[in-house]
Amino acid sequence: GQQVMQIPQYQHVQEGEDFTTYCNSSTTLSNIQWYKQRPGGHPVFLIQLVKSGEVKKQKRLTFQFGEAKKNSSLHITATQTTDVGTYFCAGRGSQGNLIFGKGTKLSVKP
Amino acid sequence: NAGVTQTPKFQVLKTGQSMTLQCAQDMNHNSMYWYRQDPGMGLRLIYYSASEGTTDKGEVPNGYNVSRLNKREFSLRLESAAPSQTSVYFCASRTVWQGPFNEQFFGPGTRLTVL
Repeated sequence: GQQVMQIPQYQHVQEGEDFTTYCNSSTTLSNIQWYKQRPGGHPVFLIQLVKSGEVKKQKRLTFQFGEAKKNSSLHITATQTTDVGTYFCAGRGSQGNLIFGKGTKLSVKP
Repeated sequence: NAGVTQTPKFQVLKTGQSMTLQCAQDMNHNSMYWYRQDPGMGLRLIYYSASEGTTDKGEVPNGYNVSRLNKREFSLRLESAAPSQTSVYFCASRTVWQGPFNEQFFGPGTRLTVL
């Protein structure tokens, strides 16, 4: 079945360093969504990408959708302790439901 | 608006006991979902309801049943709890637009331990 793979599983950075998580799908995606889950919290929607090659920015966060619409990335510039959490990508499956990657857990050392 | 609410927040069960997790949303969303989250496994879909009156199995439905009581409420039932069902359970909902913008809204979760 359709899979959404996400790497790395964990990332430990020093505050101020950059961070990137990558998402790859076994099939072409109509769109991709990104969610953030703070420790002990629930996933919260960050953004959706729809167009091939699309790039969107939210302050220090940059989201990209690949040209072939099979991969995506989230890049955080100059991480802060408030960036701590798990970042999930999710693509729409054949039944219309979201298929989530396993997430990248980011820890930031002050 | 409260968004998506779940009860209870925490629950401890003994093996073989049954319980129902409740979920309600006040955003007039069509679709509702139940996920479980285990360490290193991400979010796995248990059951979903694309619209009122319909329910379908997700990736990991065994050991669970659901009821879409009305447009607002979607409950998840464990008939005979097993230790493998120890997990955090999230309910989510979304509306169904013709356009692409259709984020999912998650509830705060239920942390379930089965002894």
